[in-house]
Amino acid sequence: RKEVEQDPGPFNVPEGATVAFNCTYSNSASQSFFWYRQDCRKEPKLLMSVYSSGNEDGRFTAQLNRASQYISLLIRDSKLSDSATYLCVVANSGGSNYKLTFGKGTLLTVNP
Amino acid sequence: DAGVIQSPRHEVTEMGQEVTLRCKPISGHDYLFWYRQTMMRGLELLIYFNNNVPIDDSGMPEDRFSAKMPNASFSTLKIQPSEPRDSAVYFCASKTAGSNQPQHFGDGTRLSIL
Repeated sequence: RKEVEQDPGPFNVPEGATVAFNCTYSNSASQSFFWYRQDCRKEPKLLMSVYSSGNEDGRFTAQLNRASQYISLLIRDSKLSDSATYLCVVANSGGSNYKLTFGKGTLLTVNP
Repeated sequence: DAGVIQSPRHEVTEMGQEVTLRCKPISGHDYLFWYRQTMMRGLELLIYFNNNVPIDDSGMPEDRFSAKMPNASFSTLKIQPSEPRDSAVYFCASKTAGSNQPQHFGDGTRLSIL
């Protein structure tokens, strides 16, 4: 099983649609979880952290299910500017050790 | 605020040549990471440092790759000799301590080995 596995995509949705991305991780001891966004030919940028209780940032909602080792990202009322690759990221740390493992990403295209 | 600064932005060179990529992390960040990104393999961690000390280099593909961090404000990733399969985008990232602190990425170096 891959360390971090995402929906392969690509997703093509119209403006205003709601779209959900899913991600599973293999290491049950993982401590921190993030969604990053990467635009074409750009660097990854943090979109939001994912907390155990779930968290929302405007149109974006992230959920974590530790029992199922599952993370999700929901985008409501999608905009053209949401078109990007969304990377699920899992962190494992202890002492001075800290390692992020990235999923391969899911490409989202929002169409007018 | 200055972010993570990488140089060069683009590098095109012939196979067999030595390639040196450079990174200046955000001031005050304790961790520095080197990643490689390709279409086939996605974003892969090569090596990371904590307080200038290499912690995990298990992602370094082979002996042709080496990385150093002589001080808190500078790191290099060197490939010698380079091969066409090394062509990729190489990212440097840095972060502060704390498991919930995110990594901040540089713009990347787009490397093409002919």
